[in-house]
Amino acid sequence: EVQLVESGGGLVQPGGSLRLSCAASGFTFSSYSMNWVRQAPGKGLEWVSYISSSSSTIYYADSVKGRFTISRDNGKNSLYLQMNSLRVEDTAVYYCARERTGYGLDVWGQGTTVTVSS
Amino acid sequence: EIVVTQSPATLSLSPGESATLSCRASQSVSSYLTWYQQKPGQAPRLLIYDASNRATGIPARFSGSGSGTDFTLTISSLEPEDFAVYYCQQRSNWPPKWTFGQGTKVEIK
Repeated sequence: EVQLVESGGGLVQPGGSLRLSCAASGFTFSSYSMNWVRQAPGKGLEWVSYISSSSSTIYYADSVKGRFTISRDNGKNSLYLQMNSLRVEDTAVYYCARERTGYGLDVWGQGTTVTVSS
Repeated sequence: EIVVTQSPATLSLSPGESATLSCRASQSVSSYLTWYQQKPGQAPRLLIYDASNRATGIPARFSGSGSGTDFTLTISSLEPEDFAVYYCQQRSNWPPKWTFGQGTKVEIK
């Protein structure tokens, strides 16, 4: 079964850091680009970051650029999001999503919740 | 930067009725437009890619159309499980990013 499972969410104070992980199974992880997408409480979807299959290409949304770092370990079938200098407005459910070229974000995890609050 | 706008924000319909959801891009995105469905407490699910192609396992009552700046998602006869929020999304090459619309909620009337 193709599956993505996020972990690492939690409660953190403003200015703090958190590292999210996404474990992939059931497909050849190293063949796919991956993304992080977030959803603030009661709000819509916001794309956060993209990483190509080989990590050679990385993009960030302007809202997180300079604070968040996406990475992956193809040997461990895992995707990561290092989040520094967290703000209250970063509070959201964070999803990892597989990107199939020309197709879209076709596999999503169940999400992990990040709450930034003092 | 491309802005994606969905309308209406909410659609109140009864099961069996047809739903028409609109998505407009501020500049042409060719046919690189994707639709997702999201139910409460669940992750989004890919419905339509390249504006008009159904993803694997998506029922034929879902159809997409359009190109350039104006796109439509049609649900021909609403089933109880279709009441959800629908998002359109486009991918731009520069600046490189995915942009989601704000969503259309299809609710039971």
